[in-house]
Amino acid sequence: GAVVSQHPSWVICKSGTSVKIECRSLDFQATTMFWYRQFPKQSLMLMATSNEGSKATYEQGVEKDKFLINHASLTLSTLTVTSAHPEDSSFYICSARDPGDSQNSPLHFGNGTRLTVT
Amino acid sequence: GNSVTQMEGPVTLSEEAFLTINCTYTATGYPSLFWYVQYPGEGLQLLLKATKADDKGSNKGFEATYRKETTSFHLEKGSVQVSDSAVYFCALSTPQAGTALIFGKGTTLSVSS
Repeated sequence: GAVVSQHPSWVICKSGTSVKIECRSLDFQATTMFWYRQFPKQSLMLMATSNEGSKATYEQGVEKDKFLINHASLTLSTLTVTSAHPEDSSFYICSARDPGDSQNSPLHFGNGTRLTVT
Repeated sequence: GNSVTQMEGPVTLSEEAFLTINCTYTATGYPSLFWYVQYPGEGLQLLLKATKADDKGSNKGFEATYRKETTSFHLEKGSVQVSDSAVYFCALSTPQAGTALIFGKGTTLSVSS
């Protein structure tokens, strides 16, 4: 089945630094990837839709200058948390839909990245 | 807008008990419905899905039926195991290509032996 790989699985950084998270589709090409954020014991909140070759579409309330998304190829999207602060600590998850699947097909999820900002 | 409402957890059961986790949705058009499971320390895995009214999704002993008249997609299992302890998310997607999933808040299930 389709596999989405996310890296790193966890990262600890100091306040004020930037962190890049990679999301790769391993056996399919994804023109669209989705970035979610999950707070402890809460649901997944969609942050943005990453479109290959164009700008990402951000959900209301998500700072695009804070969370930079780049979808440079059909198999790679990156999320950079810029000037991270402790309130950015969270679990970030990427996902993609195999375009070979039907429009009703589920999303395939990466295993997530646990970001801790000290 | 589109939304998913799940019953509040946590749900605590003994092994072999019957499980129901309620899920209702609001959506325009005819969404597809999903249940995802997140085991401790892991990412989300698709558990089952249904793409049209009256469809029943099933996997690993879990079942859910797409009920359009009640806009529901309740998850059930006849006999839970300790290994079923996880967080369960109900989700929907609309038929348009390239749309993200909308998730409910998740329900934590804890099964004891």
